[in-house]
Amino acid sequence: ETGVTQSPTHLIKTRGQQVTLRCSSQSGHNTVSWYQQALGQGPQFIFQYYREEENGRGNFPPRFSGLQFPNYSSELNVNALELDDSALYLCASSPSSERLYEQYFGPGTRLTVT
Amino acid sequence: LAKTTQPISMDSYEGQEVNITCSHNNIATNDYITWYQQFPSQGPRFIIQGYKTKVTNEVASLFIPADRKSSTLSLPRVSLSDTAVYYCLVGLMNTGFQKLVFGTGTRLLVSP
Repeated sequence: ETGVTQSPTHLIKTRGQQVTLRCSSQSGHNTVSWYQQALGQGPQFIFQYYREEENGRGNFPPRFSGLQFPNYSSELNVNALELDDSALYLCASSPSSERLYEQYFGPGTRLTVT
Repeated sequence: LAKTTQPISMDSYEGQEVNITCSHNNIATNDYITWYQQFPSQGPRFIIQGYKTKVTNEVASLFIPADRKSSTLSLPRVSLSDTAVYYCLVGLMNTGFQKLVFGTGTRLLVSP
């Protein structure tokens, strides 16, 4: 069984640019959540997608947007990058709506904004 | 929105039992409590989940009092490899719009 994968592993962008991060959920998982983790802090919930629909959102501005595809893979898009967006971005998938608590995380994408 | 608080760090020795508490005073009726372990440069790993009372699996136990305003992760007989950051997560209702809040994290150091 393949776990959650994310791409790219590392990324360097300039302030004001746009970035797209990708996540492939674990086989059979229909729910994907995205988190931002700044250095030394806990993950902060960005949003969650269930069967291609946004199913939850944290306190992030609209320039953070996402998509989930029919195969349940997902993208996180961030527009107008700011220096504070530098962080580890984590994707997690869950097996079903009845087991949302059971999240399986990918290794993350380390984004650096200069 | 639930707010969670954990001790910043804890120290233990191999073979001891470790109890890490998370405070979540304004937990909602439908919120679950989940605990994760995170090693440096890795994503968090699911440990255990509960709603109320006590839950036990092969690696840990989770104690939740009746008022559900706190929870305690219990790790029996820790080893050096249990050195990691431990997070509680509140939320993940089985229905409705999700609002998930990770705790501040507890850095556990296990020494020989």
